[in-house]
Amino acid sequence: KQEVTQIPAALSVPEGENLVLNCSFTDSAIYNLQWFRQDPGKGLTSLLLIQSSQREQTSGRLNASLDKSSGRSTLYIAASQPGDSATYLCAVALNYGGSQGNLIFGKGTKLSVKP
Amino acid sequence: ETGVTQTPRHLVMGMTNKKSLKCEQHLGHNAMYWYKQSAKKPLELMFVYNFKEQTENNSVPSRFSPECPNSSHLFLHLHTLQPEDSALYLCASSQDTLTRGQFFGPGTRLTVL
Repeated sequence: KQEVTQIPAALSVPEGENLVLNCSFTDSAIYNLQWFRQDPGKGLTSLLLIQSSQREQTSGRLNASLDKSSGRSTLYIAASQPGDSATYLCAVALNYGGSQGNLIFGKGTKLSVKP
Repeated sequence: ETGVTQTPRHLVMGMTNKKSLKCEQHLGHNAMYWYKQSAKKPLELMFVYNFKEQTENNSVPSRFSPECPNSSHLFLHLHTLQPEDSALYLCASSQDTLTRGQFFGPGTRLTVL
C-alpha cells in the first residue's frame, strides 16, 4: 500500500530564506507526483507536476525534483516571501490496475514565512 | 480562481438531515473526484468518475451517495451522517485519470451536529 510522508510537519523561516520541503513515498511505481499549495480553509492549488520519467520541474521560484528509485521528492522555494505561507501537499499518482492515476496524499508541511 | 466551483461553501446539518453537495467544472475535463479532508489526516479519495462512469469507490459508507449526471457536474448526496463525517469535502477534475494533473475546487466545510 502506497504511503506518502512529508517532513517537516511545520516550518517557520524568516523572509528571504531559501528552503526545502521533503516528500517520501513507499512504492516507487508511481505515474506522476504533484505538489499543491493549500491556504487555510481553502481548496488546493496545483504548483508543479512531475511525470515519472522526469527528474525535475521549475516554475518561477519553485523547483521540484523527483528521485523515483529512492522514493523521494523535494520542493525548493527560493527567496521565500510572507505570501508563501500555506500548507504544501505532496501527492503521488498510483500506477497499477484500476486505481491507476488515483492520488495518495501526504499530511502536508505547514510553512510560515515571517516578515 | 479555479475553474472548479463548489456549493455550498459551508453546511451545518443534523444527523437525520438529507443534503447534497454540488461541484461544477468549467474546464472541459472528463474525470471528476470527491475527496474528504479531516483534521490531522491526509486527503482521502472517496469517488472517481470518468466520462460519467464511477471507476472508484474507496470503501465509502453508503450514507454518502455520489451522482454524476454529465462530465461537468458532480453531486454528493448526504443522509444520516455522523459527527465524525464533519470535514472539508473537496471536488477535483482532470482531463483524464492518467496523465494530467487534478484541479481542485474551494471545498465545502461540513459540520454534522
